[in-house]
Amino acid sequence: ELKVEQNPLFLSMQEGKNYTIYCNYSTTSDRLYWYRQDPGKSLESLFVLLSNGAVKQEGRLMASLDTKARLSTLHITAAVHDLSATYFCAVDVNNDMRFGAGTRLTVKP
Amino acid sequence: EPEVTQTPSHQVTQMGQEVILRCVPISNHLYFYWYRQILGQKVEFLVSFYNNEISEKSEIFDDQFSVERPDGSNFTLKIRSTKLEDSAMYFCASQDGLAGDNEQFFGPGTRLTVL
Repeated sequence: ELKVEQNPLFLSMQEGKNYTIYCNYSTTSDRLYWYRQDPGKSLESLFVLLSNGAVKQEGRLMASLDTKARLSTLHITAAVHDLSATYFCAVDVNNDMRFGAGTRLTVKP
Repeated sequence: EPEVTQTPSHQVTQMGQEVILRCVPISNHLYFYWYRQILGQKVEFLVSFYNNEISEKSEIFDDQFSVERPDGSNFTLKIRSTKLEDSAMYFCASQDGLAGDNEQFFGPGTRLTVL
C-alpha cells in the first residue's frame, strides 16, 4: 500500500528564517505534487514534479524530487507571514493520489 | 481562467439519507477525481474517473458511493445512505491528462454535515 509521510506536521517559524518540509513515500512513483491549503479553503497547486532530480521554484518556495530515495522536499526561504498555511504533498500512482498528513506552517512576525 | 465548480457549498442531511454532490470540471479535461477531508485531517483519495468509468478507487469508496458523469459536463458523487462519519469536505478535481505536468485543479469543496 502506498504510504506518504510528511514531517514535520507542525512548524512554527520566524519571518526571515529558512526551513524544509520533507515528504517520503513508499512506492515507486514519478509524479509528486505539492499543494497549499488555507483554513477553510480548497487546495492550491504549487508544484508538480515529474522526474528524478526535478527542482522547481516559485517565489520563496522551492521543491525537489529524488525518486530513488522516494523523497521530496519543500524548502522555504526567508519566510513571510503570508506563507502561513497547511502544505500537503501527494503522490500519484496510476491515478490513485495519496496525500501526506500535511504540515501546518505558522510564520510569526 | 477556467475553474472547477462544486455545488452545494454546504449540505446538511440526516443519517441514512442519500446525498448527491455535484461538480463541473474544467471543460476539455479528461480525468476527474473525488477526495474527502475530514475536519483537520489530511485529504483522502476516493475515486478517479476516466472515459466514463472508474479507473481507480480507494478502500473508502465502498458500495455506498457511486460516481456518474450524466451529461458530459457534471460529475457527481452519490452517497446512498449517509453515516455520521461521512461528514467531511468533499473536493472534486479535474485534470487535463494530456499536458505534461498533469496538474490537478481542485474545486472549492462541498461541506457535508450528517446529523
